[in-house]
Amino acid sequence: DVKVTQSSRYLVKRTGEKVFLECVQDMDHENMFWYRQDPGLGLRLIYFSYDVKMKEKGDIPEGYSVSREKKERFSLILESASTNQTSMYLCASSLQAQPQHFGDGTRLSIL
Amino acid sequence: RKEVEQDPGPFNVPEGATVAFNCTYSNSASQSFFWYRQDCRKEPKLLMSVYSSGNEDGRFTAQLNRASQYISLLIRDSKLSDSATYLCVVTDNTNAGKSTFGDGTTLTVKP
Repeated sequence: DVKVTQSSRYLVKRTGEKVFLECVQDMDHENMFWYRQDPGLGLRLIYFSYDVKMKEKGDIPEGYSVSREKKERFSLILESASTNQTSMYLCASSLQAQPQHFGDGTRLSIL
Repeated sequence: RKEVEQDPGPFNVPEGATVAFNCTYSNSASQSFFWYRQDCRKEPKLLMSVYSSGNEDGRFTAQLNRASQYISLLIRDSKLSDSATYLCVVTDNTNAGKSTFGDGTTLTVKP
């Protein structure tokens, strides 16, 4: 069974802080993704990566960056957290052309 | 216009009912199609892939019409446990497996 692990289920940070969200998958998947999900807005893609050190912007990359130094790990970075980045963050991974598998999600609150 | 459109519902049906969800997509290069289920405050989970010939998994039947760029999900003999949000997902296999998620259709099955 595919396992996608996100480092925190709940996280509270302050405005202006640099925030790191970590995601690890154990199935040697090439593709990894970061989404945020807000009520009424569905899943929105922030960044994705199809290989180590490769990254592509999704639909809403502003205010975020990512890092993929190892195949199994994909990190999302909020450079200077703002209250409008309070959201549920979901990490996913997949093989090419295969369905994505999601982590449990991180509920991030920025105060 | 959104790339993937679903009727948001909500659909409220009695136990035992048959219910159908529809989804349209705009990218004709899309090559892989899936239905996901998402329970409240949980991550999306793969329900089933959708194949051109149509496919069935127990009480669930998925259909794909490439000419009309339309996907459907039929649930027969609804159970209380089917209550969830159902997400239609379309993947462009030429773009690192990047998927576009519909906003979801909410189903509530009542006793």
